[in-house]
Amino acid sequence: EILLTQSPATLSLSPGESATLSCRASQSVDSYLAWYQQKPGQAPRLLIYDASNRATGIPARFSGSGSGTDFTLTISSLEPEDFAVYYCQQRRNWPLTFGGGTKVEIK
Amino acid sequence: EVQLVESGGGLVKPGGSLRLSCAASGFTFSSYSMNWVRQAPGKGLEWVSSISSSSSYIYYADSVKGRFTISRDNAKNSLYLQMNSLRAEDTAVYYCALTTEGSGWIRWCFDLWGRGTLVTVSS
Repeated sequence: EILLTQSPATLSLSPGESATLSCRASQSVDSYLAWYQQKPGQAPRLLIYDASNRATGIPARFSGSGSGTDFTLTISSLEPEDFAVYYCQQRRNWPLTFGGGTKVEIK
Repeated sequence: EVQLVESGGGLVKPGGSLRLSCAASGFTFSSYSMNWVRQAPGKGLEWVSSISSSSSYIYYADSVKGRFTISRDNAKNSLYLQMNSLRAEDTAVYYCALTTEGSGWIRWCFDLWGRGTLVTVSS
């Protein structure tokens, strides 16, 4: 099973600042990594698939990069609605696995 | 509008059974793979099971293998999860989610999610 480790667990930032979230895989997942956003009481939403492709309707301030074992989600300028929990997920191998999440909170 | 609506959750005793349903609308259900993902209260996301559009490919997490069965009825635009021998650790919100397929490929990530249904396993 591929283990995904997200860091930091919590990121405290102000609106307008840039956020950098990390996801590290226990073995290579090539580029088969996705990112999701989840707000309290809501279902997750797909942001990025295959490491760097924005899903339909996702603003350009969200970008993904990386390959192999190290991946980054960058939010270029935080909007108030971006404060949420973010998860990464790999589809390289079964079972599909998620990281433990990074909470982006308002400083 | 693309929509996924889960139902069938509730309170069940350990060892009991429950059948979850997911009603799909607004898209060609038979062209998409489908999944169940769960989230225990206050915890992260855990993939449970996946099924391809024609039911040719079915996968389960080890934690539910032998106890849960995923199925779909493309004529009814519906996805199901039969859950048997339920345990306290199965307590979670269960989401159904769709996965895009193409000719000869399936991109196993979760493009759209329903709002979830809560399953509580407790005596």
